[in-house]
Amino acid sequence: QLQLQESGPGLVKPSETLSLMCIVSGGSISSSSYYWGWIRQPPGKGMEWIGSIFNSGSTYYTPSLKSRVTMFVDTSKNEFSLRLTSVTAADTAVYYCARHKRWGGYYFSWFDPWGQGTLVTVSS
Amino acid sequence: QSALTQPASVSGSPGQSITISCTGTSSDIGTYVYVSWYQQHPGKAPKLMIYDVSDRPSGISNRFSGSKSGNTASLTISGLQAEDEADYYCSSYTTSSTLVLFGGGTRLTVL
Repeated sequence: QLQLQESGPGLVKPSETLSLMCIVSGGSISSSSYYWGWIRQPPGKGMEWIGSIFNSGSTYYTPSLKSRVTMFVDTSKNEFSLRLTSVTAADTAVYYCARHKRWGGYYFSWFDPWGQGTLVTVSS
Repeated sequence: QSALTQPASVSGSPGQSITISCTGTSSDIGTYVYVSWYQQHPGKAPKLMIYDVSDRPSGISNRFSGSKSGNTASLTISGLQAEDEADYYCSSYTTSSTLVLFGGGTRLTVL
């Protein structure tokens, strides 16, 4: 059974860099047709897709965060990671990683499964 | 404001059916079948309930069904049970540079 688990600091200071890792178990991150995504959810609010990465390193980022986001994948460790620079209080959220289906090498579809999520608070 | 529009809340009594709508545009729901629905209980991770408009993942009850008409997708839950009380989010592929849209979420209350 595929499982994902996020890890990283729960507190980040304003203007610093948020770094999270997602470890994939029970399956290979090198599976075709799947990207690996990050989604965040500010407390009490809805969800926002941050971006997704393929096992080759190919990435897609949401335009509003593109200038601050970088994603990496390490197929030897079956994990992928997220870096978000110059964080502010608006980046405070629960961050989820999830497997992201892509059809025909073009159309992004569903997220499943999801990690349990990790709360990252931006505060001095 | 979220790109996909959902009602903030819906409610129903046990045994009844409810429908949650998710309205987009011709750039997303109106043209593509890549619509998914997620259930989220408080403090828990979202769970995929419906994908590609109307398909159910293995293990999801057939009380959950999805459909689409024009620019609006819908999630219907029949035979409401107390455990269905949760937040529900829709998502869709979009041709805009955003690529992935979520709705603002709908809180389902089982009375």
